[in-house]
Amino acid sequence: DSGVTQTPKHLITATGQRVTLRCSPRSGDLSVYWYQQSLDQGLQFLIQYYNGEERAKGNILERFSAQQFPDLHSELNLSSLELGDSALYFCASSVKGTWEDTEAFFGQGTRLTVV
Amino acid sequence: AQKITQTQPGMFVQEKEAVTLDCTYDTSDPSYGLFWYKQPSSGEMIFLIYQGSYDQQNATEGRYSLNFQKARKSANLVISASQLGDSAMYFCAMREGADDKIIFGKGTRLHILP
Repeated sequence: DSGVTQTPKHLITATGQRVTLRCSPRSGDLSVYWYQQSLDQGLQFLIQYYNGEERAKGNILERFSAQQFPDLHSELNLSSLELGDSALYFCASSVKGTWEDTEAFFGQGTRLTVV
Repeated sequence: AQKITQTQPGMFVQEKEAVTLDCTYDTSDPSYGLFWYKQPSSGEMIFLIYQGSYDQQNATEGRYSLNFQKARKSANLVISASQLGDSAMYFCAMREGADDKIIFGKGTRLHILP
C-alpha cells in the first residue's frame, strides 16, 4: 500500500458527461501529480499541484481541470467526455515535488470507461 | 524529441536468469533523477529504484540494480535471478531539476518463462 488513495477505482460513464476523480496523497506529501495512461499513448503527465498551487502543466486538455484543496487532497475534473478519454488515471504524491525527491508514490488508479 | 527511450517493447526471459531492461534519456540539465517503476497486470505502479545524477555509485535495491552510465545517458535496470512474479510492464522515468514533472518512457513488457 503506497498510502495514496484514489477514488473511485472504476467509473463507467457516457459521452458528453462530466466526472470527478479524487486523490488523497500520502500524509505529509505536499505535491500531487496526475497522469493519464492509455493503451496507445503510454503514461502522459497531465498536471502537478504543490501545496495548493499549480506547479507544472503537461498535455492536459482544456476539457480537463484540477485543483488541490487546503487539506491537500486533489480532484481531477473531466468534462464533455469522449470515447478517447477512456484510460487509467493515476495520481502520485511526493514530499517536495522537486528533483530531490527520490520517488513519487502512486495510487491504484481510476479506470475510466466512456461508452 | 523523446526524453526517455525504452527500445524493447517486449522481452521473454527464462526464470532464474538475469535480465537487463534498457533505458536512455535526454536532458541538458545537470540535476536530474532517474526512476524505474513496475506495473503488474493489476495496474498499480510500484516504485523499484532511483538514481540521482550526482550519485557516484549505481543504485541497488535487493534484486534490482541500476546500471547508470552518465556519459552515454543510459540507465538500464538489471534484475538478478528473475522470478515468475517479475512478469510485468516496466517503466523508466526521469525528473529534471528545472521541471518537477516525471516523464515516463513507453515501457517494456517483461515475460518470465517457467
